[in-house]
Amino acid sequence: EAQVTQNPRYLITVTGKKLTVTCSQNMNHEYMSWYRQDPGLGLRQIYYSMNVEVTDKGDVPEGYKVSRKEKRNFPLILESPSPNQTSLYFCASSFSRYNVAFFGQGTRLTVV
Amino acid sequence: AQTVTQSQPEMSVQEAETVTLSCTYDTSESDYYLFWYKQPPSRQMILVIRQEAYKQQNATENRFSVNFQKAAKSFSLKISDSQLGDAAMYFCAYRSGSGTYKYIFGTGTRLKVLA
Repeated sequence: EAQVTQNPRYLITVTGKKLTVTCSQNMNHEYMSWYRQDPGLGLRQIYYSMNVEVTDKGDVPEGYKVSRKEKRNFPLILESPSPNQTSLYFCASSFSRYNVAFFGQGTRLTVV
Repeated sequence: AQTVTQSQPEMSVQEAETVTLSCTYDTSESDYYLFWYKQPPSRQMILVIRQEAYKQQNATENRFSVNFQKAAKSFSLKISDSQLGDAAMYFCAYRSGSGTYKYIFGTGTRLKVLA
């Protein structure tokens, strides 16, 4: 089944404790991106990648890191999480810039 | 910078009736794509419909259609014969057609369908 898989689905962590949210797609898609969703703000793009080893900032990259060492994986790293990073996070992928994006199921992150 | 505005935080529609959700955007680009995504309570983001800016014809997908007014930078979604399963948050989104993969989403419209 074609899908984008995020893990974990839910995470509660403490301020300053490094964490990684994984994202994996099995559709051989070139393009991948991360978003955060907050009430009243919609989805905002954090980072995107147009190919292996090619990443670029979205609108809200501060406090996040990404890497794209393999085509199928695009992990989101929070080196020192803070409470303002409490949010719902989505990973998405698409075959090309012109194709529709497929979204993962979301990761609910709470930083206390 | 591009922006997407959804001015209706919440809308209601009677089952079997028609409802229109509004979206306006601002861009200086000539090549771009517009989307409507649906997010039901399951949180899954589901594509409803998409429109390429270079196409003058409005996109249609079964009960869903758009009114794309390029000069006015307007991209509204019409849902005909509304069903209870249409109740969800709807997001309008813009994607640049240039050499980036930037996506801009609106703040969303929550649609309630009344039985």
